[in-house]
Amino acid sequence: KNEVEQSPQNLTAQEGEFITINCSYSVGISALHWLQQHPGGGIVSLFMLSSGKKKHGRLIATINIQEKHSSLHITASHPRDSAVYICAVLNTGNQFYFGTGTSLTVIP
Amino acid sequence: EAQVTQNPRYLITVTGKKLTVTCSQNMNHEYMSWYRQDPGLGLRQIYYSMNVEATDKGDVPEGYKVSRKEKRNFPLILESPSPNQTSLYFCASSSGFPPYNEQFFGPGTRLTVL
Repeated sequence: KNEVEQSPQNLTAQEGEFITINCSYSVGISALHWLQQHPGGGIVSLFMLSSGKKKHGRLIATINIQEKHSSLHITASHPRDSAVYICAVLNTGNQFYFGTGTSLTVIP
Repeated sequence: EAQVTQNPRYLITVTGKKLTVTCSQNMNHEYMSWYRQDPGLGLRQIYYSMNVEATDKGDVPEGYKVSRKEKRNFPLILESPSPNQTSLYFCASSSGFPPYNEQFFGPGTRLTVL
């Protein structure tokens, strides 16, 4: 069972490109989180969304509750954006489910 | 500095030898959670706690125990570890009910069970 599906699994981009990572989920949710896992293994939270859109610097996250879909966009990508991006949903029972991640490599 | 700490960071043990991985946060967060990360499977939630003395099972609780006697600490106990519990473990905490705010993750504990 995969409550959360991400695409693509792997993504290679040239520096400066606009990047989109997609997340679809099948359960009822209270919130959706986007996480970034660095090559060294550390995980940081990028966004928490329950509706609409959020922006932080070059990162933009959107969610469409009716379509059960979220996107993470990176504008003007940079090699330091290279990481694994993980979508996580908090279901209505307060449990988290995670996508398997999108591995992004940005080439200078 | 606001942080989640885990100890140990690395552990190699043998089947059946009880172990505890500690997790502590200094942000007065209500919500704490344990996850395991395995190649191809991603992160999966083991147990979570909404507050002191309130713990609940996540997606993969079998073989694990937790306790929440103090707000800052949330230890993960493996009473009889088996090789299929070899994994990378993360503890995380968040404020609010439910955890609508960002999660802060510990650095991870890499466990190998021989």
